[in-house]
Amino acid sequence: QVQLVESGGGVVQSGRSLRLSCAASGFTFSNFGMHWVRQAPGKGLEWVAVVYFDGSNKYYTDSVRGRFTISRDNSENRLYLQMDSLRAEDTAVYYCARDRCSRGTCSSEYWGQGTLVTVSS
Amino acid sequence: SYVLTQPPSVSVAPGQAARLTCGGNNIGSKNVHWYQQKPGQAPVLVVYDDIDRPSGIPERFSGSNSGNPATLTISRVEAGDEADYYCQVWESTSGHYVFGPGTKVTVL
Repeated sequence: QVQLVESGGGVVQSGRSLRLSCAASGFTFSNFGMHWVRQAPGKGLEWVAVVYFDGSNKYYTDSVRGRFTISRDNSENRLYLQMDSLRAEDTAVYYCARDRCSRGTCSSEYWGQGTLVTVSS
Repeated sequence: SYVLTQPPSVSVAPGQAARLTCGGNNIGSKNVHWYQQKPGQAPVLVVYDDIDRPSGIPERFSGSNSGNPATLTISRVEAGDEADYYCQVWESTSGHYVFGPGTKVTVL
């Protein structure tokens, strides 16, 4: 069965860095685009970034572009999110999610359990 | 960028139907997806591509998108349907997901 397991969250001071990891199993990782989606405490879902199946394209939401870097290792079935220059407003549960694309649109049927990132000022 | 709107809350009695809406500019031209999220849990996709259900999602969950707004209907609502529901579209030019602000469904 499809499994996505995030790790790497924790408490970090404002301005510092953190790297999140998502271990994938149960499917051919290199065939699917992968996303990071976050949720601040008590708030809604916010899309963060996507990397295409082969790593050729990466896109970011405006608030993290230039500070966060999404990457993947298809040989290790892992997705990463390098987060630099962290701010208090980056505090959230971060989910990795697998693409489900059809008819020219994409959604995510599989999600990890999330990892909490807390940025302290 | 594209903006989705959802009512903050909907209340419904058990056994009745709940109709959740998702608005956006010319939303009928997009495919809308819906997620259910219960407290402390990851989102669960309940409808994709406007009308389809993933395996394991009850038939009580149905979607439509024939114009503004798109809708998710939960028939014969149960206590276990109490959750936050988010609509989502995909921006093809940038690969972005766009989420609506979410609707909290309360079962009376």
